[in-house]
Amino acid sequence: SQTIHQWPATLVQPVGSPLSLECTVEGTSNPNLYWYRQAAGRGLQLLFYSVGIGQISSEVPQNLSASRPQDRQFILSSKKLLLSDSGFYLCAWSVLQGSDQPQHFGDGTRLSIL
Amino acid sequence: SQQGEEDPQALSIQEGENATMNCSYKTSINNLQWYRQNSGRGLVHLILIRSNEREKHSGRLRVTLDTSKKSSSLLITASRAADTASYFCATGPEGSNYKLTFGKGTLLTVNP
Repeated sequence: SQTIHQWPATLVQPVGSPLSLECTVEGTSNPNLYWYRQAAGRGLQLLFYSVGIGQISSEVPQNLSASRPQDRQFILSSKKLLLSDSGFYLCAWSVLQGSDQPQHFGDGTRLSIL
Repeated sequence: SQQGEEDPQALSIQEGENATMNCSYKTSINNLQWYRQNSGRGLVHLILIRSNEREKHSGRLRVTLDTSKKSSSLLITASRAADTASYFCATGPEGSNYKLTFGKGTLLTVNP
């Protein structure tokens, strides 16, 4: 069966520090991968989307970047964190491309910027 | 931009009662999905309904879609304490082949 792992589960970082969040999927090949951010009391905002290794689509211009160095690995990064980067970051995958595909989520990383 | 908007924002019921949550959206869609999120966890896909479908069932879940009113409802029958969670609708807008737009969610509390 397929599983998705995100780490760390929680992270507290000072303003201006770098960031690296990792997401890996097991049990499937060539998944579509997504990074979302969820602010308190709000819905999910799609940040990045990837259909394959090295292929990243950015949805929202911001202080973050994403990379996909391996088929089932998706990394969210920042060189200098801002206070506004605080939030709950969720990684998800789907088997096929398409808005009719169920997305399967990891358990997220709670990021607090001090 | 926010596409789906759930209503109510919060709902509190007793175990055994039915829970109905609504979702309204603004632009034409290809399909609509419902997800559940337990506190501090990721989202779990519940059900998908396509724009040419009016109703769909899955266990204790019943989803309806009215494209003329641009709205959907999720009914959970015979609720249990374990159904306590936030519920989100996610729309797949026409013209987008991958993107889902999520609403802000309804927080459902089922009291034992």
